[in-house]
Order: sequence, then C-alpha cells, then structure tokens
Amino acid sequence: GNSVTQMEGPVTLSEEAFLTINCTYTATGYPSLFWYVQYPGEGLQLLLKATKADDKGSNKGFEATYRKETTSFHLEKGSVQVSDSAVYFCALSERQGAQKLVFGQGTRLTINP
Amino acid sequence: KAGVTQTPRYLIKTRGQQVTLSCSPISGHRSVSWYQQTPGQGLQFLFEYFSETQRNKGNFPGRFSGRQFSNSRSEMNVSTLELGDSALYLCASSLPPEPEAFFGQGTRLTVV
Repeated sequence: GNSVTQMEGPVTLSEEAFLTINCTYTATGYPSLFWYVQYPGEGLQLLLKATKADDKGSNKGFEATYRKETTSFHLEKGSVQVSDSAVYFCALSERQGAQKLVFGQGTRLTINP
Repeated sequence: KAGVTQTPRYLIKTRGQQVTLSCSPISGHRSVSWYQQTPGQGLQFLFEYFSETQRNKGNFPGRFSGRQFSNSRSEMNVSTLELGDSALYLCASSLPPEPEAFFGQGTRLTVV
C-alpha cells in the first residue's frame, strides 16, 4: 500500500539555521503531496502542497519540490525562527477527488534562540 | 471564513461507554474525513463522507462509525470504549476535486 517515510526526529536547530526535513513516499499513480504542521495542543495546519511532478509548494518561507524520480518531497527553510518549533507531517492523498491522507510519523522540530 | 469546528474539545469516558464527536466543516465543503492520532500509531484514517455517503473507510473495527448530515456536518461514534481508544480525533474538510484538507483542532478523548 501507499506509505510515507519521514526523517527521524527530534531535530534541534539554532535560530537562523537552514532546515531540511526529508520525506519519501511509496504510491501507485500520481498522488498529491502535502506538509502539515502541528503546534502543541492544536490540530493540523496545511503548510504547503504540490499536486504534480516538479511542482514546488511554498508558504511562510518553507518550500518543498515534488520529485517523482526520487519519490521525495523534502521540506526546506533557509532561516528558521523559534516560532517554527512544532511537529511537521508529510502526507500524500491516495487518489484525486477522494480524501484519504496517508501521513508520515511526524518530525518534532525545536528551534533554540 | 470560519474554519473546521470540532466539539467537544475534551472528553473523559469510562471503558464500555459510547461517545459521539461532532464536526462542522468549512462552509461549502462537502467532504468530511476523520483521523485518529496516537503517540504509538501516529495519524490513521478512519473514514470519509461526501454528500451523506461514506466514500472511504480505514482499517478500524466496527465500533467506530460515522455519519454525515445534509448540511455536511458530521458525527463519529465509538461504542464500547476501550482504553486504547484514548486519542486525539481530528476532523478535516475539503472541497473535491481540490486535494487539500483543512483540519479542526481535534477532540481529545481519554478513556479511563
């Protein structure tokens, strides 16, 4: 079946450091790919999405590119802030038009001032 | 516009009881899906409803059920609660064919 694998956490960085969180997927067909963020005690917030190969999703300084050849969707940010501390989830939607998301295990990110 | 609203935010139930959770989607969204989040299993898909019909179902026992009303609001029910049902239950709404889902803040269920 479809699956998503994220890099193991937790990840701890200093403010203004460069961030990469790796995400690879296994899927049949052409899924849409997402990054969601979860702050303590909250639900999931959609951070960015990409719906086809070579699409780049971006939001709030975060970016991720849909790489079909490497089945990857790595999350990057050039300069992190303390407010970016949260848990990040990579996800894919199994088929167009039907909402069934498959999530990675999540990566906890802590940014120190 | 208002986001996805889940009620209640917190619940404490006793083993063997049943519970009903409610979700109001974003206005105009006709698809509602439910997920269970636990530290051990992560985020797992429960089911999806579209226009009052269950369109997709995850691998959960029959104790977990749901429904959707004509105004797209959805409820999920868990009967004969077990300790392992303690989790954060998240509802998401979407507007097919757009692929993204928008989540509510969740209902934290504790079974004692």
